[in-house]
Amino acid sequence: EAQVTQNPRYLITVTGKKLTVTCSQNMNHEYMSWYRQDPGLGLRQIYYSMNVEVTDKGDVPEGYKVSRKEKRNFPLILESPSPNQTSLYFCASSPGTGKGEQYFGPGTRLTVT
Amino acid sequence: GENVEQHPSTLSVQEGDSAVIKCTYSDSASNYFPWYKQELGKRPQLIIDIRSNVGEKKDQRIAVTLNKTAKHFSLHITETQPEDSAVYFCAASRGSGTYKYIFGTGTRLKVLA
Repeated sequence: EAQVTQNPRYLITVTGKKLTVTCSQNMNHEYMSWYRQDPGLGLRQIYYSMNVEVTDKGDVPEGYKVSRKEKRNFPLILESPSPNQTSLYFCASSPGTGKGEQYFGPGTRLTVT
Repeated sequence: GENVEQHPSTLSVQEGDSAVIKCTYSDSASNYFPWYKQELGKRPQLIIDIRSNVGEKKDQRIAVTLNKTAKHFSLHITETQPEDSAVYFCAASRGSGTYKYIFGTGTRLKVLA
């Protein structure tokens, strides 16, 4: 089944404790992206990647890191999480150039205390 | 910076009536405009998209119109049904699957039976 998976789905952590949220897709998509969703603010793009080893900042990259070492995986790293990073995070992928539909993962709800 | 304004933030319509959601974008280089539907507790899913070389696109009960001169685009849902109740997001990008996406803040549509 074609899908985007994220892990974990729920995470409660403390300020400053490094964490990684994994994202994987099995559709051989070139484009992958991370978003955060907050009430009243919609979806805001954190980082995106157009292919392996090619990443770029979205609108809200501060406090996040990403890597794209393999086509299928695009982990989101929070080196030192803070309470303002409490949010619902979505990973998404799309086929790439000229083919726009993004397929979203199920979401990861992160709480930083 | 680039932004997308979306209105209204909430919209209630009677079943069978039409609903219109409007978005305005600031980046004149945007050429791809998708619309996503997010049901409660679910991930966003693409419902329709339009590229800048097209003024209107229709898919059954939903349609999107684009006015590049005015930099705005709209989602039209006709003959609304209770299952259309959801949050709708518009977005703009300079290239589908190649560049960053800017999303609107969302419209919560309620279809009253």
